[in-house]
Amino acid sequence: EDQVTQSPEALRLQEGESSSLNCSYTVSGLRGLFWYRQDPGKGPEFLFTLYSAGEEKEKERLKATLTKKESFLHITAPKPEDSATYLCAVPPYSGGYNKLIFGAGTRLAVHP
Amino acid sequence: DTEVTQTPKHLVMGMTNKKSLKCEQHMGHRAMYWYKQKAKKPPELMFVYSYEKLSINESVPSRFSPECPNSSLLNLHLHALQPEDSALYLCASSLDSGISYEQYFGPGTRLTVT
Repeated sequence: EDQVTQSPEALRLQEGESSSLNCSYTVSGLRGLFWYRQDPGKGPEFLFTLYSAGEEKEKERLKATLTKKESFLHITAPKPEDSATYLCAVPPYSGGYNKLIFGAGTRLAVHP
Repeated sequence: DTEVTQTPKHLVMGMTNKKSLKCEQHMGHRAMYWYKQKAKKPPELMFVYSYEKLSINESVPSRFSPECPNSSLLNLHLHALQPEDSALYLCASSLDSGISYEQYFGPGTRLTVT
């Protein structure tokens, strides 16, 4: 069964304290892995798409990496405005439509 | 511009009411989606429209009725909802409906059923 697991469930950081969020997936054939950021009461904001192992993408303080079994979202020197829930998602192996399987998310809180 | 707009932002309705949620995008995307999200849970797919035709219905109760009048507009008609239907309803769009196209989400409509 296709599955996405994110860890930790919640993470509290001090401003400037770098860390990583994990997204483990089990799909028969990966056709892309998506990272989103979601603020409370708002819609998810698209961050990155990764397609193949070894691929990396960066945006400001965020860097996403991908291996054959998992993806990491590295946050370097975070600021309070980086506080949000970070979701990862993959399309299932079967099916021709972009039905995303979401992980439960990591709730990140960055304190001054 | 990667903007998906949704109206209204908030909606309170009784169990006997009929209301509609509206979603619009002007990015030329040909796939549009409705999701439901409960607190502290990830979004759950409800419907997928591809080229204005309903492609996926994730066994959603008939009290939710989607409509895609044109390639830019998506509606969700609500009737005889239950309190457990209270949630954040999200619309999304992607360039096409094939796998690997990233989806762009709107800000959502917070629905409360009383």
